Amino acid sequence: NAGVTQTPKFQVLKTGQSMTLQCAQDMNHNSMYWYRQDPGMGLRLIYYSASEGTTDKGEVPNGYNVSRLNKREFSLRLESAAPSQTSVYFCASSEIYSGPQKTEAFFGQGTRLTVV
Amino acid sequence: LAKTTQPISMDSYEGQEVNITCSHNNIATNDYITWYQQFPSQGPRFIIQGYKTKVTNEVASLFIPADRKSSTLSLPRVSLSDTAVYYCLVGERNQGGKLIFGQGTELSVKP
Repeated sequence: NAGVTQTPKFQVLKTGQSMTLQCAQDMNHNSMYWYRQDPGMGLRLIYYSASEGTTDKGEVPNGYNVSRLNKREFSLRLESAAPSQTSVYFCASSEIYSGPQKTEAFFGQGTRLTVV
Repeated sequence: LAKTTQPISMDSYEGQEVNITCSHNNIATNDYITWYQQFPSQGPRFIIQGYKTKVTNEVASLFIPADRKSSTLSLPRVSLSDTAVYYCLVGERNQGGKLIFGQGTELSVKP
């Protein structure tokens, strides 16, 4: 019953450092997503992957890269962290249907990232 | 892309029924309407999804008029634990699976 698992849960980086946020899902979903959420704001889509081997930019992709390693895993990389990237990052997965089947996204617990 | 508009915030009292309306004027023919709930420090979770008329589950009801240009999430007899942000999403089936969350509606339930 793991669902979507994100690591780490907390991270503090210095400006200019790099890091990778990991995400894995065990629901055999094709679609995976990375969001950021700033205090008092809604979720903003950074990147998403509609299927293994494909990735697309979302609303706020600048400063980030992603890798869809396999169907289960979708990682988010910050090459040179900036204070503006201080945020809570959520990973999600879903199966998107063209028909009437329910489309439900499942979210991880989030990674709270602070860049100083 | 389908765009949604919701009130930024709403206040209610325990035991009241709360209705949150979402406007989605350019909804496509095959779009579904989905609502999520987010508690502080947690990721959003699915509440309800519908295409037309009315859908009800153990948590909420979703009312969709015939023109489908808006939808209303109805929470019966809210409690303090319903304090959360509620998001309306439309159109992921026509956006290559792209799930776009708007600002959401921050619901505050008071005793």
